[in-house]
Amino acid sequence: QKEVEQNSGPLSVPEGAIASLNCTYSDRGSQSFFWYRQYSGKSPELIMSIYSNGDKEDGRFTAQLNKASQYVSLLIRDSQPSDSATYLCAVNGKAGTALIFGKGTTLSVSS
Amino acid sequence: EAEVAQSPRYKITEKSQAVAFWCDPISGHATLYWYRQILGQGPELLVQFQDESVVDDSQLPKDRFSAERLKGVDSTLKIQPAELGDSAMYLCASSSHGGGPEAFFGQGTRLTVV
Repeated sequence: QKEVEQNSGPLSVPEGAIASLNCTYSDRGSQSFFWYRQYSGKSPELIMSIYSNGDKEDGRFTAQLNKASQYVSLLIRDSQPSDSATYLCAVNGKAGTALIFGKGTTLSVSS
Repeated sequence: EAEVAQSPRYKITEKSQAVAFWCDPISGHATLYWYRQILGQGPELLVQFQDESVVDDSQLPKDRFSAERLKGVDSTLKIQPAELGDSAMYLCASSSHGGGPEAFFGQGTRLTVV
């Protein structure tokens, strides 16, 4: 059974701090990695994708991938209350297969 | 902006009744997914279509669930009969065949079975 594991949280950070969200996956052959943000009662929204080892930055978001450790992370700099949501890690195995999601980490940013 | 359309947004149905959900993917997207998300959990795949063909329905409870995408465009997911445990968010997503594997979600259908 291919699995994606995330700490469910909640992760609480003050406004302006860095939030660090982590994800591990079991399928060593996984090729593509994604972070989705999901506000309460809404559907998941794609915010980051990463395909190769290292860091990928997009505005206040940085995704980090370490395939050897089977580890993906998302850093949110200068966290804002509007970042309060559940963050879902998703992993794609071989081409053409569907994304496998973790259970999500709930982030709460206090002002 | 292109988006995945789903309807209805909300559905309340009685146990043992039939219910159906509709999805229209982003134009040109060949791959369509139906996911189910129980509160507090991540989305779980029910069925994946490539054009009009089923690619993966291994997690679809086929005794009560059915899905079709007859012309390779929009899709319908049906539950008959509905059970209390089917209460969840039903999410449709699409991705571009040959492009990245990123999946884009519709707004979802919140199903409550009473």
